[in-house]
Amino acid sequence: QKEVEQNSGPLSVPEGAIASLNCTYSDRGSQSFFWYRQYSGKSPELIMFIYSNGDKEDGRFTAQLNKASQYVSLLIRDSQPSDSATYLCAVLYSGYALNFGKGTSLLVTP
Amino acid sequence: DGGITQSPKYLFRKEGQNVTLSCEQNLNHDAMYWYRQDPGQGLRLIYYSQIVNDFQKGDIAEGYSVSREKKESFPLTVTSAQKNPTAFYLCASSMQGAPTYEQYFGPGTRLTVT
Repeated sequence: QKEVEQNSGPLSVPEGAIASLNCTYSDRGSQSFFWYRQYSGKSPELIMFIYSNGDKEDGRFTAQLNKASQYVSLLIRDSQPSDSATYLCAVLYSGYALNFGKGTSLLVTP
Repeated sequence: DGGITQSPKYLFRKEGQNVTLSCEQNLNHDAMYWYRQDPGQGLRLIYYSQIVNDFQKGDIAEGYSVSREKKESFPLTVTSAQKNPTAFYLCASSMQGAPTYEQYFGPGTRLTVT
């Protein structure tokens, strides 16, 4: 069974701070990694994907990938209360299917 | 507007009844997927389809069936054989041949079986 592990949280950060969300995965052959944001009662929304080692930045979001350590993270700079949600890490396997972690709940306090 | 639609948003059924959840996309995506989400759990793959008239079982296919007669449509039937059908059902789609196969989700159907 290919595992994707996330700390369930909640992770609480003050408004304006950097939120750091982490994810580890077990399948060393995994090639593509995704971060989804899910608000309560809603469907997941894709916010970042990464498939090369290193950092990828998009606005306030930075995804970091370290394949040797089987570790992927998401940094959210200048966190806002509207960023409060559950963040799901997903790893591509079997060519097309995604394997999801259980998510980390983020709470940004004003 | 391009996107993925799922209907209905909420569905209530009695135990022992089959129910079909609709998923339609106009993104011209080749691949479509069904996941279920239970409270506090990650998404689990039920079925996926890469092309019309072909589909594969995911991790939890027992008690479910699908069809893919059109590129745009991928309905999911929850049969009476599914032991715990109450869940949030999510349909997704992606391009085939994309380097990362990023998947986009519909709004979901919340099924309650009593």
